[in-house]
Amino acid sequence: EPEVTQTPSHQVTQMGQEVILRCVPISNHLYFYWYRQILGQKVEFLVSFYNNEISEKSEIFDDQFSVERPDGSNFTLKIRSTKLEDSAMYFCASNLTPRDGYTFGSGTRLTVV
Amino acid sequence: SQQGEEDPQALSIQEGENATMNCSYKTSINNLQWYRQNSGRGLVHLILIRSNEREKHSGRLRVTLDTSKKSSSLLITASRAADTASYFCATGNNAGNMLTFGGGTRLMVKP
Repeated sequence: EPEVTQTPSHQVTQMGQEVILRCVPISNHLYFYWYRQILGQKVEFLVSFYNNEISEKSEIFDDQFSVERPDGSNFTLKIRSTKLEDSAMYFCASNLTPRDGYTFGSGTRLTVV
Repeated sequence: SQQGEEDPQALSIQEGENATMNCSYKTSINNLQWYRQNSGRGLVHLILIRSNEREKHSGRLRVTLDTSKKSSSLLITASRAADTASYFCATGNNAGNMLTFGGGTRLMVKP
């Protein structure tokens, strides 16, 4: 069964450093998303992306965050200057149409120290 | 309560019993989805029910949706120890570009 692949699975970074989280969505999917889950809390929406544009973003997704689809397969989330409160599990997801169920990746655990 | 709140927060049952989890939400939705998450792992899509549907089945899963009460339930029949996980409801907005997740129900199925 097709999977959404996320790398790395764990990342530890110093506060103030830039991080890039990588995702390979399912190849024929057109809609891409990033969500995050702080330990013990709800899964929170960050951003949705379609046709090389952001289609929706949450209040969390401020100027420190950016997304990019640099080629036909990768979808990245960049955090420019990480803060302690950015520590969370970050999930990438994709679907073929926006009203389908999502296929999520296994997540990247980001720890900011 | 907030959009997509599950009830109960935790549920412990014996193998073979049925498990019922409820979800309430506040705003209008396009669809409601249920996901499963094993500890520290990714979210697995279980079932999607659209706002014009009332009931849906998939294997041992049965989902109902009552848009007048803004609530949904997930029933897992004949539970197995392998069903132990957290279960989340998520509502899809009308634009179809985001999901709002609830806090989840932690299900433990004892062998």
